[in-house]
Amino acid sequence: GAGVSQSPSNKVTEKGKDVELRCDPISGHTALYWYRQSLGQGLEFLIYFQGNSAPDKSGLPSDRFSAERTGGSVSTLTIQRTQQEDSAVYLCASSLGLLAFNEQFFGPGTRLTVL
Amino acid sequence: AQRVTQPEKLLSVFKGAPVELKCNYSYSGSPELFWYVQYSRQRLQLLLRHISRESIKGFTADLNKGETSFHLKKPFAQEEDSAMYYCALKFGNTGKLIFGQGTTLQVKP
Repeated sequence: GAGVSQSPSNKVTEKGKDVELRCDPISGHTALYWYRQSLGQGLEFLIYFQGNSAPDKSGLPSDRFSAERTGGSVSTLTIQRTQQEDSAVYLCASSLGLLAFNEQFFGPGTRLTVL
Repeated sequence: AQRVTQPEKLLSVFKGAPVELKCNYSYSGSPELFWYVQYSRQRLQLLLRHISRESIKGFTADLNKGETSFHLKKPFAQEEDSAMYYCALKFGNTGKLIFGQGTTLQVKP
């Protein structure tokens, strides 16, 4: 079956603009995660969803970042008023549940470049 | 604070040599640890997890709670093992993973 998909694959935007990144998890996966992969910071957790609920938003870098999930499926990560330090690869992952044996499957990522 | 440390950014070995990628963690609870791998132009994928006590592609990793380590080992490296390797700690019951900075393994012919 299809894996986790993300769109767009690449996004170039100007500083100050808003961007939306989309994640389509594997069908039936109740848990969904957003991570950010950047040169200086490595791989860092942003937010996770169990169903449509986001119990832990502690990883969001600032209030310019928000995320939502609808229908227990698609998730959107929104970055408002983008800054150059937001440039990174944004990874989405999904899993059947939250337990350790529930493998997280990663998408290909969205490469965001803020000019 | 919860932390995962991979001290080596780059590890370069010759084909057939043994490999050990180091990972140390800091966590007050009972740790659940993983190794993820990202081959060139491919997605990040799970390599192995300590709870399964498995060997994948010849790699093994043993959790040493005394030394708070979860080093990844392979007795004979192959060129196709060249990739970026991340050690990760699952935090609490959230599914949230805390990753190390990653180690690039380069296996030379």
